[in-house]
Amino acid sequence: GAGVSQSPSNKVTEKGKDVELRCDPISGHTALYWYRQSLGQGLEFLIYFQGNSAPDKSGLPSDRFSAERTGGSVSTLTIQRTQQEDSAVYLCASSLVLAIKETQYFGPGTRLLVL
Amino acid sequence: RKEVEQDPGPFNVPEGATVAFNCTYSNSASQSFFWYRQDCRKEPKLLMSVYSSGNEDGRFTAQLNRASQYISLLIRDSKLSDSATYLCVVSASNDYKLSFGAGTTVTVRA
Repeated sequence: GAGVSQSPSNKVTEKGKDVELRCDPISGHTALYWYRQSLGQGLEFLIYFQGNSAPDKSGLPSDRFSAERTGGSVSTLTIQRTQQEDSAVYLCASSLVLAIKETQYFGPGTRLLVL
Repeated sequence: RKEVEQDPGPFNVPEGATVAFNCTYSNSASQSFFWYRQDCRKEPKLLMSVYSSGNEDGRFTAQLNRASQYISLLIRDSKLSDSATYLCVVSASNDYKLSFGAGTTVTVRA
């Protein structure tokens, strides 16, 4: 079946612009997660959703970052007034349910470059 | 201090060799442990979970040492296709977020 998909696969933007990243989880997966991976760094957790609810937003790096999920499926991560340090690969993952030992399946990521 | 630390490598080994590496974690409340594999410019994929008693999956053996707070991965009879970055991942008992190490790069040469 189809895996997690993300769009766009690559995004180049100018500093100060807003960007919107999209994630389509595996059908039927109720939990969704956003991470980012900077060059040479480990994955950094950003936020997770159980259904449409995001109980913990503390992982978002700044108030320029926001995420939403509608209909328990597609999620968007929005970065306002992008900065060069926002350049990274943004990865989305989904799991069948929200449980610590539940396998997370990752999408191919969106490579964001802020000039 | 990073939550999860790994030797970045690279570990360059010939086909058929055994290679092993560790990662350490700082949160003593960590309860779940995993090894993920990430190929160049690809997404991470779960390789195996790590259980308290240690576990094997084919040529891969994972061990957990709670007292010293480290996890190990051993690859036997390495194949060219094992070349990848191996990510050590931990999660606390009360937390759904996964904490990833920066990865250990393994290159298997013919």
